[in-house]
Amino acid sequence: GAGVSQSPRYKVAKRGQDVALRCDPISGHVSLFWYQQALGQGPEFLTYFQNEAQLDKSGLPSDRFFAERPEGSVSTLKIQRTQQEDSAVYLCASSNQRGYYEQYFGPGTRLTVT
Amino acid sequence: GQQVMQIPQYQHVQEGEDFTTYCNSSTTLSNIQWYKQRPGGHPVFLIQLVKSGEVKKQKRLTFQFGEAKKNSSLHITATQTTDVGTYFCAGFLAGNQFYFGTGTSLTVIP
Repeated sequence: GAGVSQSPRYKVAKRGQDVALRCDPISGHVSLFWYQQALGQGPEFLTYFQNEAQLDKSGLPSDRFFAERPEGSVSTLKIQRTQQEDSAVYLCASSNQRGYYEQYFGPGTRLTVT
Repeated sequence: GQQVMQIPQYQHVQEGEDFTTYCNSSTTLSNIQWYKQRPGGHPVFLIQLVKSGEVKKQKRLTFQFGEAKKNSSLHITATQTTDVGTYFCAGFLAGNQFYFGTGTSLTVIP
């Protein structure tokens, strides 16, 4: 594809609901990253995949957050029992390099928890 | 706490003036990347620096990586209204995690 795509673009969830956010990286990119960006802040690293392997999940804020990339392409970020503090834009990025190098970002999913 | 700090947080310049943002890390960075995020948009990759003391130029933009690999700067010559946005540095802190800086928001007054 031409770029990284994410869906949905907007999601409103009631507190306590589970949500799933999807990321379609650029075709052939081996690395995939998830970030959380609060309003007026820089992106905060959540997790990193190299192909299907989750090599770094040190940024996931709690065990309510779970990410997967089973076939080394599409990735899903799941948040269980959402809380108001989970409201943010969730950004996905991919890279054709292994490791923490130049990343191409998707448009993000804006999650609002009410 | 914040591992990668940027100054200034905000900068307003007249169109045609120069602009510089500085990025400082508490520990050594294995590499430094710069991104630009327009209001309402997503970060867009600008450049990556890997070597100590490296300098790279892209038209009116000049990027530097410090000798100790703990700091970096982005300098824009003769700003234009299209330069408006927030500029973030980002890098992997050795043995730690990947961090984005706090960002510098640039406003260009026509």
